Amino acid sequence: GENVEQHPSTLSVQEGDSAVIKCTYSDSASNYFPWYKQELGKRPQLIIDIRSNVGEKKDQRIAVTLNKTAKHFSLHITETQPEDSAVYFCAASQSNFNKFYFGSGTKLNVKP
Amino acid sequence: EAQVTQNPRYLITVTGKKLTVTCSQNMNHEYMSWYRQDPGLGLRQIYYSMNVEVTDKGDVPEGYKVSRKEKRNFPLILESPSPNQTSLYFCASRGPGQGHYGYTFGSGTRLTVV
Repeated sequence: GENVEQHPSTLSVQEGDSAVIKCTYSDSASNYFPWYKQELGKRPQLIIDIRSNVGEKKDQRIAVTLNKTAKHFSLHITETQPEDSAVYFCAASQSNFNKFYFGSGTKLNVKP
Repeated sequence: EAQVTQNPRYLITVTGKKLTVTCSQNMNHEYMSWYRQDPGLGLRQIYYSMNVEVTDKGDVPEGYKVSRKEKRNFPLILESPSPNQTSLYFCASRGPGQGHYGYTFGSGTRLTVV
């Protein structure tokens, strides 16, 4: 089955700096990659996703890049704010979207 | 409001006592799934369902059962809970109209088996 690895496990940045979280996957058949944000005590919420037919997608301060050849994808958050503090999960799925494989999570701390 | 509703939010039970966690969605989604979340392991899929009466195993199905008799409901059943099933459980659904292909999660059920 698919194996998704996520790094780093914790990340601390100063407010206003950028944050980058990286994930690798093992199954070349995976072609859909969502990112979830989970605030303390809350449910995971999808913040951005990318399909394998594009290399980059942006939504305001967040962006995701995908390198299919290397089998890795990354989440980029610019101009970080304290409310960005949360645990972020990457995930991978094939085109049937039945099974989703999640990374182990990155705890992002944005210091004011 | 479009949502996935799980009950209960918190549950403490004893080893071997059968329990059911309910899940309901009001978005007419075909796909539903159960995940468990454990520290350092992310979210792991237990079971998923593609439609009424159609279910399949995820990565960690041992010790769990599900049923999908109605489109909106997808209960998780632990016939004989054990302490290693202590975890945070999330029900999720997905379908058209969300603007993405990922799952929308419920609020979670924290289960403790003693």
